[in-house]
This record gives sequence, C-alpha cells and structure tokens, in this order.
Amino acid sequence: GENVEQHPSTLSVQEGDSAVIKCTYSDSASNYFPWYKQELGKRPQLIIDIRSNVGEKKDQRIAVTLNKTAKHFSLHITETQPEDSAVYFCAASWNQGGKLIFGQGTELSVKP
Amino acid sequence: DGGITQSPKYLFRKEGQNVTLSCEQNLNHDAMYWYRQDPGQGLRLIYYSQIVNDFQKGDIAEGYSVSREKKESFPLTVTSAQKNPTAFYLCAASTVINTGELFFGEGSRLTVL
Repeated sequence: GENVEQHPSTLSVQEGDSAVIKCTYSDSASNYFPWYKQELGKRPQLIIDIRSNVGEKKDQRIAVTLNKTAKHFSLHITETQPEDSAVYFCAASWNQGGKLIFGQGTELSVKP
Repeated sequence: DGGITQSPKYLFRKEGQNVTLSCEQNLNHDAMYWYRQDPGQGLRLIYYSQIVNDFQKGDIAEGYSVSREKKESFPLTVTSAQKNPTAFYLCAASTVINTGELFFGEGSRLTVL
C-alpha cells in the first residue's frame, strides 16, 4: 500500500524567510496530493492540493511542486509570517479507490 | 461551523470498557472517515465509508468498529481489544472518496485510565 514520508519533523524560520517541507510517496499510481494545516488546538484544514497532471500550483504565498518521476512533492511558503506557525501534513491517494494516506507532519515555527 | 460535529470532546475510560465516539455531519457528503492522531505519527486512517451501509478498514482498524446506518452519522467504537486507545480521534467527510477536500471535526480526546 501507499506510504508517505515527510521531512523535516520540525522547522524553525525567521519571519520573512521561506519554508520548504518535502514528502515522498511509494505508490506510483498516486495522483492526488493535498496539504493540510493544523493550528494549535484546531482541526486540520486544506490549504492547497495538486493533481498529477500539473507540476506546480501556486496560491498567493504558498506553492506546491510535484515530481512524479522521483515520487516526491513539496510545499513552499514564502515571506513567512507568525500566523503560518502550525503543523503541516502532506498526503497522497489515487482516484481508483486508494486510501488517502498522510505523512507524519511538520511543526513549523515562525519567529518574529 | 464546519458542518462536522464530534462528541464528546474529552472522554475518560477505564481499561476493559468499550466507548463510542459520535460523528455527525450536515454537509450532505457521501464519504466519511475516522483518523487517529498521535504525536509524531501524523493522521492514521482507521475506517472510511463511501456510502451508507458500506465501510472499509483503514491501516489501523484492529480494535475499532464503525457503522454507517445514516448518511449523516459515522460513529466509532473503541473496543477493549484496542491495546493503546489513548489518542486524539478526528472524524472527516468529503464529497469525493479519497481525492476530495476533507472537512474535519474538532476531534475527541480519549484517555484510558
């Protein structure tokens, strides 16, 4: 079955710097890759997703890139702000009924 | 707010007791899920359901059971067979199974004494 590895487990950056979180997946049939943000004490919420027919997707300060050959995808946050501090989860699945499997999570801390 | 309601928010249980966590949604979504969240292990899938009266095991289904008698409801029972039940449990729903946005509840924290 699918396995998703996420790195790093913790990440600390200065406000204004960029942050990058990387995930690798094992099932080459996977074609849906969402990212969720979970603020302290709150429920996870989808922030961006990408499907395998595109290599990059941007939404304001966040972007996701996908390399299907290498089976990895990354979340990029530019101009980080203290409110970006949260746990971020990547996930992968395939639309023929594959389960949505999450990575282990990355705790991002943005220091003012 | 959010459309997914989980109860109770906190629950304490003695060893050997079964406990049922409630999950109700008013989003009219077909698919529902239960995830377990432990520090450093991400969100692990317990069970999921694509449609009423049908559900599938996730990666860590042992010691858990579910039912899906109504579209709006997907309760999770943590049985005494679950060896390490203390955890944070999240229920979610989506319009499309496994490839649509998940809408999560606020979670239930179970502590076994």
